[in-house]
Amino acid sequence: DTGVSQNPRHKITKRGQNVTFRCDPISEHNRLYWYRQTLGQGPEFLTYFQNEAQLEKSRLLSDRFSAERPKGSFSTLEIQRTEQGDSAMYLCASSLGDRDNQPQHFGDGTRLSIL
Amino acid sequence: DAKTTQPNSMESNEEEPVHLPCNHSTISGTDYIHWYRQLPSQGPEYVIHGLTSNVNNRMASLAIAEDRKSSTLILHRATLRDAAVYYCILRSPLGVASYNTDKLIFGTGTRLQVFP
Repeated sequence: DTGVSQNPRHKITKRGQNVTFRCDPISEHNRLYWYRQTLGQGPEFLTYFQNEAQLEKSRLLSDRFSAERPKGSFSTLEIQRTEQGDSAMYLCASSLGDRDNQPQHFGDGTRLSIL
Repeated sequence: DAKTTQPNSMESNEEEPVHLPCNHSTISGTDYIHWYRQLPSQGPEYVIHGLTSNVNNRMASLAIAEDRKSSTLILHRATLRDAAVYYCILRSPLGVASYNTDKLIFGTGTRLQVFP
């Protein structure tokens, strides 16, 4: 079990630029989640995939955000035309989908800093 | 979504037991109680979950009140490595309602400090 892997660990970019983050879930985990966490707050749900299907998107996920999981394995989260308010930690999690209450396994996140 | 209430912070000395409370007075009959913790500079980590009965695992114990309106996470002997933010979360089984998608709804949690 190599755990959930997120890359890069830290991204610094100028306002207005596009950024893309990658998440590699635990193999055989068919559910994948993206969350965002700002300082002093708990993580907030962004979106959820079961295999390659994106089944839910939060209202936090504006049209500048897009997430994909093309082959049901790794996922990418892209933010276009970044804004100061996008500065946060972006967390990915995965879980088995065979029954309820399966724990979600989190990566250590990608910290995005907008200059 | 059902909400939970936790103290903002708690303190403990190393090797002492720690009882972290959580109130969830609006819990529904099918909601499970989950606990996660987040160590500094890491993603959250699953700790334990339960429905009605008390639960034990290698990390902690979960004591659930008889009316299920509150629960307590118990760390039997705190270590410095247990210093983290602890989140109490309610989860509904996916089959209960069509809108459930298994997401976790985090509050602000309890920040546990452990002193040597």
